[in-house]
Amino acid sequence: GQSLEQPSEVTAVEGAIVQINCTYQTSGFYGLSWYQQHDGGAPTFLSYNALDGLEETGRFSSFLSRSDSYGYLLLQELQMKDSASYFCAVRKPGGGNKLTFGTGTQLKVEL
Amino acid sequence: IAGITQAPTSQILAAGRRMTLRCTQDMRHNAMYWYRQDLGLGLRLIHYSNTAGTTGKGEVPDGYSVSRANTDDFPLTLASAVPSQTSVYFCASSDEGASYNEQFFGPGTRLTVL
Repeated sequence: GQSLEQPSEVTAVEGAIVQINCTYQTSGFYGLSWYQQHDGGAPTFLSYNALDGLEETGRFSSFLSRSDSYGYLLLQELQMKDSASYFCAVRKPGGGNKLTFGTGTQLKVEL
Repeated sequence: IAGITQAPTSQILAAGRRMTLRCTQDMRHNAMYWYRQDLGLGLRLIHYSNTAGTTGKGEVPDGYSVSRANTDDFPLTLASAVPSQTSVYFCASSDEGASYNEQFFGPGTRLTVL
């Protein structure tokens, strides 16, 4: 089977940097994705890592280490609007883009 | 329509009733998915379809059925609703040929089964 572990909550102050970790166990690895969800609304795609290393998209970066079965999402220059839930996800084996999601990390940005 | 839509937005349903949640996308994506989201459990895959005419079971398929008659529509049916099916249901779609694995989600349907 597949399982992913994330911290349930993280709190940080505006302007700071925060890292949300994700460790996974999966039979066959096809990449790690990150999604953001505000207030129970539609999750939105943030990033995807298929290979080891850092992917940067503006204030957000995502890192993957396949040998450690570990990844993280790094959010820089935090803003109040970054308060949301963040989910890591791995692609299921067997073809297609089916995803197994972690249980999510609720990020609270404070003044 | 822009993107992916779901209907209804919310519904209260008596146990034992039949209910169909609708999902439509206009992005011509070949793959579509249904997830349920429960507090503390994240998103769990119910059923999926890699292309029109085919469907498959996800992690939690029991009590649900789907069909994929065409590219755009992917309805989810609860044949006889039970209270444990109270959840938020998200439909998603993706271009299976894309290398970056992005799924696009609808706004969700909040379903309460009493």
